Amino acid sequence: AQTVTQSQPEMSVQEAETVTLSCTYDTSENNYYLFWYKQPPSRQMILVIRQEAYKQQNATENRFSVNFQKAAKSFSLKISDSQLGDTAMYFCAFMKLLAGGATNKLIFGTGTLLAVQP
Amino acid sequence: DAGVIQSPRHEVTEMGQEVTLRCKPISGHNSLFWYRQTMMRGLELLIYFNNNVPIDDSGMPEDRFSAKMPNASFSTLKIQPSEPRDSAVYFCASSLNLGRADTQYFGPGTRLTVL
Repeated sequence: AQTVTQSQPEMSVQEAETVTLSCTYDTSENNYYLFWYKQPPSRQMILVIRQEAYKQQNATENRFSVNFQKAAKSFSLKISDSQLGDTAMYFCAFMKLLAGGATNKLIFGTGTLLAVQP
Repeated sequence: DAGVIQSPRHEVTEMGQEVTLRCKPISGHNSLFWYRQTMMRGLELLIYFNNNVPIDDSGMPEDRFSAKMPNASFSTLKIQPSEPRDSAVYFCASSLNLGRADTQYFGPGTRLTVL
């Protein structure tokens, strides 16, 4: 079974600084997707970024980028120029691809609570 | 465009009562997912549908839980009878299709409290 581990329950960063959130996962699959979701105090789950395992290039979305290390099964999220609005719980998630390309369920880590300080 | 719509946003009920949570997916999305979030277990998938057909309900905790999707624009998650340990936030999410790992868009969630 796949597992996703986020070893940092809480983190804090100063506004405009850079912070990196860690995520590791365990799987025997070769084809899968990885995601980072953000859950602000409003409770809404919002997709931040996604990475296809077959792509070596790290995904980027504006101030958000990932460091995907497939051999190490590591998928960290870097937030540059942190803003107050980035304060949220961040969840790393894994999705296996079934035979025929059908997607499977998202398996979430336990989350990292990020506080951006003014 | 409207996102995923869930109702009610908050529900407080007493143990033993029936609870029905509702979800309207994004128009045009063919896949729908129900998740539950608790402090103890985090976010876990309960069941998901594709083209209104249940694909995987292995996450449904027990027979007290049931889900239906009578048409492409509506789904329900029912708990009967409810128990205090069912207290959680229940999320509905939808995506375009299975098969391409399309992004899942989440609703705002329903916070359920069972007294």
